[in-house]
Amino acid sequence: AQTVTQSQPEMSVQEAETVTLSCTYDTSESDYYLFWYKQPPSRQMILVIRQEAYKQQNATENRFSVNFQKAAKSFSLKISDSQLGDAAMYFCAYRFPFMNRDDKIIFGKGTRLHILP
Amino acid sequence: DTAVSQTPKYLVTQMGNDKSIKCEQNLGHDTMYWYKQDSKKFLKIMFSYNNKELIINETVPNRFSPKSPDKAHLNLHINSLELGDSAVYFCASSSPGRTYEQYFGPGTRLTVT
Repeated sequence: AQTVTQSQPEMSVQEAETVTLSCTYDTSESDYYLFWYKQPPSRQMILVIRQEAYKQQNATENRFSVNFQKAAKSFSLKISDSQLGDAAMYFCAYRFPFMNRDDKIIFGKGTRLHILP
Repeated sequence: DTAVSQTPKYLVTQMGNDKSIKCEQNLGHDTMYWYKQDSKKFLKIMFSYNNKELIINETVPNRFSPKSPDKAHLNLHINSLELGDSAVYFCASSSPGRTYEQYFGPGTRLTVT
């Protein structure tokens, strides 16, 4: 069964510094999707970044970038120039391939990120 | 122009009661989902519906019954509420085709006393 593991329950980073959140996953599929979602105290789930497994190029969205290592089944999130508004719970997530009947997202247990002023 | 909306946002009720949570999406998506987030923030899928047809039912107790009157709505009815049902329930939707993003509602915090 597919699993998503986030080994860091909590992390802290100084404002303006860079932080990397780790995620590993397990799947036998070759085509799938990976995401990082952010959940601030408002509890709204916000998509931060997405990666399609068939794309070798790492996704980037402004200050957020990923290091996608398909063979190692690793998908880490790097946040550059950390800001106070980045403080939140971050979830790594896996979605089955398109047209797979098991159409759902599997979430990791989350990493709570604290930003120190 | 809210994409995925849920009502109510907060629900406090006593054990044994029956309650419903409503979800609506105005994105034209075919597939809708219910996720449960427990007190440790763990998010897990409960149900998914595609065009009003139940696709996924993740071993959720029979007391939980989703209902999809049309593809824009997916409601969650819970019978005989138990203390362990206290959680945040998220509705989500996604579009057909090769797009893959799920859009989440704001969540409903259910507290059973």
